[in-house]
Order: sequence, then structure tokens, then C-alpha cells
Amino acid sequence: GEDVEQSLFLSVREGDSSVINCTYTDSSSTYLYWYKQEPGAGLQLLTYIFSNMDMKQDQRLTVLLNKKDKHLSLRIADTQTGDSAIYFCAENFSGGYNKLIFGAGTRLAVHP
Amino acid sequence: EPEVTQTPSHQVTQMGQEVILRCVPISNHLYFYWYRQILGQKVEFLVSFYNNEISEKSEIFDDQFSVERPDGSNFTLKIRSTKLEDSAMYFCASSERRGEANYGYTFGSGTRLTVV
Repeated sequence: GEDVEQSLFLSVREGDSSVINCTYTDSSSTYLYWYKQEPGAGLQLLTYIFSNMDMKQDQRLTVLLNKKDKHLSLRIADTQTGDSAIYFCAENFSGGYNKLIFGAGTRLAVHP
Repeated sequence: EPEVTQTPSHQVTQMGQEVILRCVPISNHLYFYWYRQILGQKVEFLVSFYNNEISEKSEIFDDQFSVERPDGSNFTLKIRSTKLEDSAMYFCASSERRGEANYGYTFGSGTRLTVV
């Protein structure tokens, strides 16, 4: 069945780069997404990548997609304390009615 | 920027009671969804709704759950006879269209349901 896996925690120093990794199982996914959840808030779409791309850059965010290994990563350059949140990887499950399959989320802690 | 609005933000209910979670999707969106997130666990798909009917539901979405779009603007999730394990954050989402061109939903801020 479909599944998305992420590491649960990442701690980085302010100003460093953060890399959050994700693996997925549905090789026919059309889109892969990164969502951010701040405490008490909803799911905010950060960025997405279409499955025929291998990289997408959006300001401080870089998404890398390795379709062969079904591996997705999110790199945040110059990480700030405001980036502290939970980051969810999600895939657009091709077999469903456009439902998203989420990972468990990676909690990013940014320290001075 | 258009938002998906969910009410209430937090609901506490006694086991066995019925609850209705409310959502106002973005006005020109046609597809509506409920997801839930049990504390510390994954965000899980519950149900999708289009053209006034359920288009897909997960195995979690059993007879205890129902959805409705009663008046063209609200989208509700009813949970009958709540159980302790229904305690979770429930997210509503809407999207303008489905298919390959759809690159994301808009999620609401969630309703935290606590069953005691």
C-alpha cells in the first residue's frame, strides 16, 4: 500500500542549512508536497514538485526529487528560528480521488 | 488570501456523544476533504466529497462518520457516539479541481476534538 516515511526530529543551528528527507512508495504519484505546521496552526503548503522534475528552488527552499529511489528532500537555507515547525511530506496518491498521503512529520528545532 | 475556516477550534465532548465539526471551504472550490491527525501520528485521509456526494473514503470512515454540505457553503463532519480514540485534530481542506493539474489543497487550522 501507499506509505510515506520521514525522520521525526532535526535540530540545527540558526543560519545553517536544514535538510529534511522523505521516502514514498507510490511511484506513479503526480505531485509531491511539503507542508509546514506551526504550533496550534493548520497545514500550510510550502512548496511542491511535479514528478517529472528533479529539482525546484523557491527562495530559501530547494526540493530535490530522486524518482528512482523514491526519495524527496527539502533543504532550507539560512535556517531561522521562525522555521521551527513540523514539516510534512505528502504525495498525491494516484489511485485515489486526489487524496494526499502524509508522512508523520519532521519536527525541526532551530537553536541559536 | 482565501481561507478555509473551521469551527470550533477546540471541542471537548463526553464519550458516546455526537459531535459536528464545521468547515467553510473556499467559495469557488469544488472538492472537499476531511483529514485527521491523532497526536504524534500521521495526518490521515478520511473522506473526499464532490458534487454533493462522497467520492472516496478511507477504512477509518465507517458508519460512525458522515459528511454533509447542508447549505452550499458549510461542509460538516458528524461523528456519532464518540469514542476515546476519536480524540484528534480534524482538518478540513478544499481544492478547486482534481487531476494532474491540482497542486495542492488549502487546509483549515483544524478542530482539536477531545473525547473524555
